[in-house]
Amino acid sequence: DGGITQSPKYLFRKEGQNVTLSCEQNLNHDAMYWYRQDPGQGLRLIYYSQIVNDFQKGDIAEGYSVSREKKESFPLTVTSAQKNPTAFYLCASSIDGQGTTNEQYFGPGTRLTVT
Amino acid sequence: AQSVTQLDSQVPVFEEAPVELRCNYSSSVSVYLFWYVQYPNQGLQLLLKYLSGSTLVKSINGFEAEFNKSQTSFHLRKPSVHISDTAEYFCAVSPGTYKYIFGTGTRLKVLA
Repeated sequence: DGGITQSPKYLFRKEGQNVTLSCEQNLNHDAMYWYRQDPGQGLRLIYYSQIVNDFQKGDIAEGYSVSREKKESFPLTVTSAQKNPTAFYLCASSIDGQGTTNEQYFGPGTRLTVT
Repeated sequence: AQSVTQLDSQVPVFEEAPVELRCNYSSSVSVYLFWYVQYPNQGLQLLLKYLSGSTLVKSINGFEAEFNKSQTSFHLRKPSVHISDTAEYFCAVSPGTYKYIFGTGTRLKVLA
């Protein structure tokens, strides 16, 4: 089955530690995205990548970093510089980053709790 | 810049009753419109989309939405809801780039 996998489902970290969230897709999509979801705030874009080896900051990139070394993988690192990292993180992909008629497909999400 | 407003944060409705979830947007350019559904602790699933053509679009599970350009709205409706429709619903617009702008979501709670 084609889709997007995110692991782990739940992640717990101590304050001051960096943590990396995994996102893998086997849909052969060019574009991938990371969103943060907080209660009552909808989804906010952290980073996006339209093609391998290229990525751009979204609306709330501070305290996060990404890499896109392979088409199918787009890991997100939450650094210790992120002031309020506890949230639900969603990864998404679309066929390409140009044509907006192509909807975004979402993974199941990772719930990160930092104490 | 574009924005999306979902005024109702929660909508309780009895099973088999009709429901309307409201979505208004603002944009100076043409946009594509989407409704996504999210069940607890899961990702978002596309429910339906408006790209062009007929302003009334329908999903396979009985939801429909109508694009109203003059009122800049894309309200989601279902004539008879089921318990299984309990979820959070997000309206989103895309102005023709990579970017999607999501509303803050509406929690639909279907009561027995």
